[in-house]
Amino acid sequence: SAVISQKPSRDICQRGTSLTIQCQVDSQVTMMFWYRQQPGQSLTLIATANQGSEATYESGFVIDKFPISRPNLTFSTLTVSNMSPEDSSIYLCSVETGRRGYQETQYFGPGTRLLVL
Amino acid sequence: AQSVAQPEDQVNVAEGNPLTVKCTYSVSGNPYLFWYVQYPNRGLQFLLKYITGDNLVKGSYGFEAEFNKSQTSFHLKKPSALVSDSALYFCAVKGGATNKLIFGTGTLLAVQP
Repeated sequence: SAVISQKPSRDICQRGTSLTIQCQVDSQVTMMFWYRQQPGQSLTLIATANQGSEATYESGFVIDKFPISRPNLTFSTLTVSNMSPEDSSIYLCSVETGRRGYQETQYFGPGTRLLVL
Repeated sequence: AQSVAQPEDQVNVAEGNPLTVKCTYSVSGNPYLFWYVQYPNRGLQFLLKYITGDNLVKGSYGFEAEFNKSQTSFHLKKPSALVSDSALYFCAVKGGATNKLIFGTGTLLAVQP
């Protein structure tokens, strides 16, 4: 398993501003993921962030809106840029551990609860 | 394309009774199946997974799930529910060409004392 922490745990922001969310893992991992969970909804994958390469974004998500950094194997950041009330969500960081193609499991951080006014 | 269905938005059960939270999936090839639980104001916690082997998988907190290939189901079960089991449960599947983890819509489990 993996122990994952996120900062901040929650924030209230004004529209038009940006927020950077940090994700720290207690071990080195190749695959890190960022998800969004809108109120009362399921999880939607925003992007996959592998160390040493550009993040891969899912349909409907773009780098200008959600820039991601992955400077090393234990850390990543997600920025929510030019925020609007529609960005109010829980943002979750996830890592994958285990042997690829056999036993991999994703573990999740506690989430960052964002409210945009 | 892979997908997961959780047909029940909410499941109500009395404490001490058995519980079942349903999940069906659609994926090409062999599926990897997962259950996660989300307590209020918390992140997702991994409960259990099926990769291969025995169809009955045991996980955390006394939960288990049964993989049924013919019915493409992976229902979550517990013999005796606790009030503390009340939470939001997500089924997820991984497999096919994309190899991404796809989540169901979630089922709210309410255990009454």
